[in-house]
Amino acid sequence: QVQLVQSGAEVKKPGASVKVSCLASGYTFISYVIHWVRQAPGQSLEWMGWINSGNGNTKYSQKFQGRVTIVRDTSASTAYLEVNSLTSEDTAVYYCARGGWPYSGLDVWGQGTTVTVSS
Amino acid sequence: DIQMTQSPSTLSASVGDRVTITCRASQSISRWLAWYQQKPGKAPKLLIYKASNLESGVPSRFSGSGSGTELTLTISSLQPDDFATYYCQQYNSYPYTFGQGTKLEI
Repeated sequence: QVQLVQSGAEVKKPGASVKVSCLASGYTFISYVIHWVRQAPGQSLEWMGWINSGNGNTKYSQKFQGRVTIVRDTSASTAYLEVNSLTSEDTAVYYCARGGWPYSGLDVWGQGTTVTVSS
Repeated sequence: DIQMTQSPSTLSASVGDRVTITCRASQSISRWLAWYQQKPGKAPKLLIYKASNLESGVPSRFSGSGSGTELTLTISSLQPDDFATYYCQQYNSYPYTFGQGTKLEI
């Protein structure tokens, strides 16, 4: 079945970096876009950016530009989100999700990866 | 950025009720809106895209309507499984933004 499986929970210190992976299966990886969305505790959802799994093009929310990098490895059908210079405000559940082109919503989601930033 | 405001923030209802959730955008988003359902500790689930298109496998009691700055999600007859938090998301322009959520409770 179509699914996205994310890497496990992370605990990081302020100023560190974190890299979260998202393994796709059950569909043609390069035919879709992978988006990253995060959710701080008790808060709404926040869109961070996407990567076109086929050509590697990316689009980031201006809020995260320069601090977030999204890449993919087509041979491994895996997308990655890296967040640098972590602060306590980056504590959240990070989700990858599949989107079509053109965009028509996020139809398949990973299970989420909890990132905790604490000294 | 386009601000998305959902109302109400919390909605108390009963099984069998018809409920409507409204999403208001700070500027026109045409029909570029998706609705999601999220249960505690779980990832969101896509219900509706492009304002009124039902995602495959989603029960027909869910429907969406509207365009411009005011769009709605309606559940025609609430089922026990529907008690959850609902989010709208605009994709008219970047950054794609979500509403603050509507918690549907008994």
